[in-house]
Order: sequence, then C-alpha cells, then structure tokens
Amino acid sequence: GAVVSQHPSRVICKSGTSVKIECRSLDFQATTMFWYRQFPKQSLMLMATSNEGSKATYEQGVEKDKFLINHASLTLSTLTVTSAHPEDSSFYICSASRGPEGTEAFFGQGTRLTVV
Amino acid sequence: GIQVEQSPPDLILQEGANSTLRCNFSDSVNNLQWFHQNPWGQLINLFYIPSGTKQNGRLSATTVATERYSLLYISSSQTTDSGVYFCAVANQGGKLIFGQGTELSVKP
Repeated sequence: GAVVSQHPSRVICKSGTSVKIECRSLDFQATTMFWYRQFPKQSLMLMATSNEGSKATYEQGVEKDKFLINHASLTLSTLTVTSAHPEDSSFYICSASRGPEGTEAFFGQGTRLTVV
Repeated sequence: GIQVEQSPPDLILQEGANSTLRCNFSDSVNNLQWFHQNPWGQLINLFYIPSGTKQNGRLSATTVATERYSLLYISSSQTTDSGVYFCAVANQGGKLIFGQGTELSVKP
C-alpha cells in the first residue's frame, strides 16, 4: 500500500509555544490530505482538509487560527498547533489517498502531543 | 452529515472463537474502509470495501451498499487480534467519517 509518514511521533511542549507536525506522502503525490484528532478512548474526528496550493478547509468547531495548515507541495502537509494549551494534548493523525476521491486512504503513524 | 454506527462497542472472545463486527451508515458512500488500531495508535488498513466481499486470511468483509451496512468477520481469533476496529466511510470530498469503534479483547 501507499506510505504516509508523519513526524514527530511524540512531542512534549510547554504551554504557550507552537508545535509543527509534518505529514508526507512518500511514494505518491497527494493534492489533498486530511488531519484528524483523537482523544483517549474515543474515535477519530476530522479536523480539516489540506489542499495543495490553496487554503485548508476546516470542520465546524475547529479553530483555524489555532490549527494552521500548510500544504506547500504535493507530498507535504504541515499542521501547526499555535499557542498550545494542555487541552490541545491529543493524538493527531493525517491521511492521504493515491488517487481521486473515493480511493483508499492511508494514514500516518500519528503524533502524540502533550502540552505541559 | 453522514452518520456511522458500529456494534458492538466492546467484545470479549476466547481464543479460537469467531466474531462479526457491524457498521451501519446513513447515506450512500463511495468509500468504506475497515481499520485496526494498534496499541501505538497506528491505523492498519484491513479492507477497502465500498461494496462486495473480500477476504484476507482469517479476516473477511462484506458491504451491502444498497442496505447501508458492512460486516467484518474474524475467524479463529488470536490474542494478537485484540485492539480497536474502526469502520470509516466517505461520500464527498474524500473525507472519511469514523464510527466509534469496536474494542475487541481476545483472551488466551
């Protein structure tokens, strides 16, 4: 299957600082990537759609100024958690598909963010 | 938006037993996938199955798109099958919507 790589896998940061998470498609180009968030013992919630060369589309209730998404190339999307607070601590995971809408999606390894 | 319901929420099996996990969805879809989330959080792709039946070893899946449900079968379960199984569907824009998951525990 297609390979999606996410970095870092784990990060601890202090309140008020910003953290950048990278999502790369290693063996294919992805014009669209997706970012999800998962709290302990819960399901994955879609946060936003990352579009190469244009602005991200955020789901209702997700603060676009807190979760900055940049999709500068066909193989890289980044999620920056700005001015992080303890309530932002969560598991963040990205996905991408090799083909058009409706094709199989592959997920990165995820990033566990802890804000202290 | 589309709703996804999985059942049962929890399942405890003895090693060697068979099980069926169900996923109901509220609208037509162009993508349906089953995942196994390992203890480190990684989502392992099990099946891409918007319709039809597929088999992979001890696992198989069937999606009846016209009736808006999918089933995941696990036969001769092993302790390594333990974990959370997610069903996810998409009907527009490629956005996968996840069910709440089934937490499976296989006892030796």
